[in-house]
Amino acid sequence: DAGVIQSPRHEVTEMGQEVTLRCKPISGHDYLFWYRQTMMRGLELLIYFNNNVPIDDSGMPEDRFSAKMPNASFSTLKIQPSEPRDSAVYFCASSPTGVSTEAFFGQGTRLTVV
Amino acid sequence: GQQVMQIPQYQHVQEGEDFTTYCNSSTTLSNIQWYKQRPGGHPVFLIQLVKSGEVKKQKRLTFQFGEAKKNSSLHITATQTTDVGTYFCAGTGFQKLVFGTGTRLLVSP
Repeated sequence: DAGVIQSPRHEVTEMGQEVTLRCKPISGHDYLFWYRQTMMRGLELLIYFNNNVPIDDSGMPEDRFSAKMPNASFSTLKIQPSEPRDSAVYFCASSPTGVSTEAFFGQGTRLTVV
Repeated sequence: GQQVMQIPQYQHVQEGEDFTTYCNSSTTLSNIQWYKQRPGGHPVFLIQLVKSGEVKKQKRLTFQFGEAKKNSSLHITATQTTDVGTYFCAGTGFQKLVFGTGTRLLVSP
């Protein structure tokens, strides 16, 4: 398996634009997580899915952020409109059986909002 | 909410010296995981501890889970330049995996 695949690897966008980050989890993994990493706040859990259903979205910063998982092999994290404070590295991770098992991280998307 | 703190925030050692990072949770954890993130990379799973007082070893790395399941430590014996990176603990509680603040390790040859 190729592991968790995220795209794009880097994204530079202007404030106010819509940004969509994409993730393909490892096949057979039932859980998918979206994390955001910044120097100030570290690694924060934004939302996670179990069998394509959002279970906990309490980490989503505000209504500008939304995440979907239309099928077992694809998820998106959308920011609309984007703001400079959204600049961060966004990681997608998947795990086979839940939050108490090993999480496999993708390479991340480095987002810069100017 | 649940908070997981790590100390120190940063440590710079000479190759061959030992290194320890400590992880403390504000709440009792179901289990604790440790991850390593190389500069510019992504977190990679190292190990999971489940039992109170559990100690596990991976070559030069020793992981310990506290008796009260609220703290943990990672000790590296005789560091090497390949150990450079940030080490995160991550605790499970309330159906979430909460990452610690991380300890950045720099090793000089």
